[in-house]
Amino acid sequence: IAGITQAPTSQILAAGRRMTLRCTQDMRHNAMYWYRQDLGLGLRLIHYSNTAGTTGKGEVPDGYSVSRANTDDFPLTLASAVPSQTSVYFCASSDQGSGGYTFGSGTRLTVV
Amino acid sequence: GENVEQHPSTLSVQEGDSAVIKCTYSDSASNYFPWYKQELGKRPQLIIDIRSNVGEKKDQRIAVTLNKTAKHFSLHITETQPEDSAVYFCAAEANDYKLSFGAGTTVTVRA
Repeated sequence: IAGITQAPTSQILAAGRRMTLRCTQDMRHNAMYWYRQDLGLGLRLIHYSNTAGTTGKGEVPDGYSVSRANTDDFPLTLASAVPSQTSVYFCASSDQGSGGYTFGSGTRLTVV
Repeated sequence: GENVEQHPSTLSVQEGDSAVIKCTYSDSASNYFPWYKQELGKRPQLIIDIRSNVGEKKDQRIAVTLNKTAKHFSLHITETQPEDSAVYFCAAEANDYKLSFGAGTTVTVRA
């Protein structure tokens, strides 16, 4: 692993199903973030974690949950997917106070 | 929370000309302003950033200016090239270390 890795790359999901998007980083960054990207709306923060064991809500948290059991992993779970959650999801990490984010390659999720 | 507005949403320039993208932010406590470039189907990548104690920063053909009084900052690309075609995002970070992004500007460089 070099940097930050997301899986899967893309997924088609039936509405009502549960889905976990995976995110792993090997840079020992203390902070991690989940954003969704929708055309014309830019990147909107879903949830974040400033350090292992803590999480917080972002701008659009409804329908999503996260956990941060260790420094490296920050999974995003959709408990019961709905079509409005069709989006591209980016995980990011940062060494807070040292500069910008490093983004993963994204997960394209389609809920049908 | 922080609100970042970005203009224009699309920008078409002739190769060799300059491109300017402007952003405004609402939270006067914001102190870090990065710019990201996203090529089609790729992840956003940091291209330049500026902190609130600096008014201008340059890196080859790109530069960023910051006016804290007016709460706006701009990205300037000179001598544009076809590989500059992408979506550009501005962002602002306050003391909570969370970035708020603008909606993006799609830049097209015409050959």
